[in-house]
Amino acid sequence: AQSVAQPEDQVNVAEGNPLTVKCTYSVSGNPYLFWYVQYPNRGLQFLLKYITGDNLVKGSYGFEAEFNKSQTSFHLKKPSALVSDSALYFCAVRAPSGNTPLVFGKGTRLSVIA
Amino acid sequence: GAVVSQHPSWVICKSGTSVKIECRSLDFQATTMFWYRQFPKQSLMLMATSNEGSKATYEQGVEKDKFLINHASLTLSTLTVTSAHPEDSSFYICSATQTRGPSYNSPLHFGNGTRLTVT
Repeated sequence: AQSVAQPEDQVNVAEGNPLTVKCTYSVSGNPYLFWYVQYPNRGLQFLLKYITGDNLVKGSYGFEAEFNKSQTSFHLKKPSALVSDSALYFCAVRAPSGNTPLVFGKGTRLSVIA
Repeated sequence: GAVVSQHPSWVICKSGTSVKIECRSLDFQATTMFWYRQFPKQSLMLMATSNEGSKATYEQGVEKDKFLINHASLTLSTLTVTSAHPEDSSFYICSATQTRGPSYNSPLHFGNGTRLTVT
């Protein structure tokens, strides 16, 4: 069974600084990896995904993520954080077999301080 | 882009009553919908998978008689919490995907969630 680990409950970063939100995964076969963002009392918004191809994936709002197969990681990054980036971020994995649901990590709360 | 509408966004009900939550795909046909539950400061836990025209598949530990799921059309799935109790208070989120069959690279589209409070 697939699983995702987000080792940090909370990440604090100053506005304008680069940010990283960590994610590692476990899945049989090739992973299909996603990042979502959630604002208070809202559903999830899709940021980016890795299926195949370039290890560096670019997504919405200036976010990007780097797939590292040897480290089984898919860390989310942004070169310059904004206060409006403050939210809850979820890493997720989907099994490469049929129409399967996403399995989510526990989430990381990002706080960007002005 | 693909939009999933979830209604109501919040609901307060008395213990023992039933509550229905609707999830609609507005601009695509959702052959499969997933229902998640999220407790405060926790991740999303999959409750069930529903495929249009067939019975829902429930995750282990989820009571199918308590959480009734109906996916009668390609654009609508409903979750009914029957005989609700305070411990059912939670944030419920639906998601939809539009292709039947192998579609592992399709991003799931999420509704905005429903905050259920049972008093």
